[in-house]
Amino acid sequence: AQSVSQHNHHVILSEAASLELGCNYSYGGTVNLFWYVQYPGQHLQLLLKYFSGDPLVKGIKGFEAEFIKSKFSFNLRKPSVQWSDTAEYFCAVRGSSNTGKLIFGQGTTLQVKP
Amino acid sequence: EAGVTQSPTHLIKTRGQQATLRCSPISGHTSVYWYQQALGLGLQFLLWYDEGEERNRGNFPPRFSGRQFPNYSSELNVNALELEDSALYLCASSKPGQMQETQYFGPGTRLLVL
Repeated sequence: AQSVSQHNHHVILSEAASLELGCNYSYGGTVNLFWYVQYPGQHLQLLLKYFSGDPLVKGIKGFEAEFIKSKFSFNLRKPSVQWSDTAEYFCAVRGSSNTGKLIFGQGTTLQVKP
Repeated sequence: EAGVTQSPTHLIKTRGQQATLRCSPISGHTSVYWYQQALGLGLQFLLWYDEGEERNRGNFPPRFSGRQFPNYSSELNVNALELEDSALYLCASSKPGQMQETQYFGPGTRLLVL
């Protein structure tokens, strides 16, 4: 069965620390990959996405993610976090067979201390 | 450009009743998706509508149903409500046609079943 696993459920960092959130997926074919973010009191927003091409993708607010096909991973990174990055982060995968279905990980809550 | 809108923001029902949730997609989007975000279960795909037709449904019982109107807005109906239906219901929309389209999410309807 298709699944997405986010290894860190709750991460606490100080401002200016580097961030890496892990995401691994289980799917036997071509995939589209996404990271969404949900800031406190706001709705789910797209952070970045990978469809094809350069496996290193850049998103909004200085975030980037690297698709490593051999490891079935799509980890999210940011070199220096800010207090405003406090949010819940969701990794999602969609198979290429166009079922319309996004499969989400359980989410990682990031708390950045000022 | 207005985002995806959902109504109502909150809904309280008792067990056995029916709930109707509404979603208006972004202008120009023809696909509408419904997801359930229940506590401890993460975001789970419910339904996908495109051009008025149901294209795919997730692993939910038939009492979860919906429809898409000619203006591409959508309704999600949940019949014979059960306590475990309490959750945040998210609607997303995407542009027509291509598989590689991003889903944009609305703020959700929080359903509480007593």
